[in-house]
Amino acid sequence: DAGVIQSPRHEVTEMGQEVTLRCKPISGHDYLFWYRQTMMRGLELLIYFNNNVPIDDSGMPEDRFSAKMPNASFSTLKIQPSEPRDSAVYFCASSLGASGNIQYFGAGTRLSVL
Amino acid sequence: GENVEQHPSTLSVQEGDSAVIKCTYSDSASNYFPWYKQELGKRPQLIIDIRSNVGEKKDQRIAVTLNKTAKHFSLHITETQPEDSAVYFCAAPSYSGAGSYQLTFGKGTKLSVIP
Repeated sequence: DAGVIQSPRHEVTEMGQEVTLRCKPISGHDYLFWYRQTMMRGLELLIYFNNNVPIDDSGMPEDRFSAKMPNASFSTLKIQPSEPRDSAVYFCASSLGASGNIQYFGAGTRLSVL
Repeated sequence: GENVEQHPSTLSVQEGDSAVIKCTYSDSASNYFPWYKQELGKRPQLIIDIRSNVGEKKDQRIAVTLNKTAKHFSLHITETQPEDSAVYFCAAPSYSGAGSYQLTFGKGTKLSVIP
């Protein structure tokens, strides 16, 4: 398996623009997580899905952020409108619940909002 | 929810010395404790984990110990090498019912191994 695949790897956009981050989990994994990493706040969980259903979105900073998982092999995290304070590295991770919580991370998307 | 605290935030050691990173957690129901290593510009990667039915686990130069009574666990790296330089994160699970769970991560420890 190629692991968790995220795209794009880097995204530079202007304030007010819509940003869409994409994630393909490891095949067969039933959990998918979106994290945001910054120097100040560390690794924060934004939202996670189980069997394509959002379970906990309490980490989503505000209504500008939304996430979807239309099927078991694809998820998106959308920011609209983007702001400079959204600049961070966004990681997607997946796991197989039955295997006991081991999460595998994608390479991340480095987002810069100017 | 779970609260995970990690210390120290930075750690410098001479090559060949040992390094110890400690974490505490709040949820006594937590039963799985992973450690992730993140090299600069890379993704976090699992290096070792421990479940609550054991007190210690070792894999070559790294080991993890768990004290469930005190609710803390530690990462031990012996004979450190420059390639051990990275940020290390501990984590503990919190459960939101119906078997659904998430990991809460510590703030990370930046380990520098000085040649």
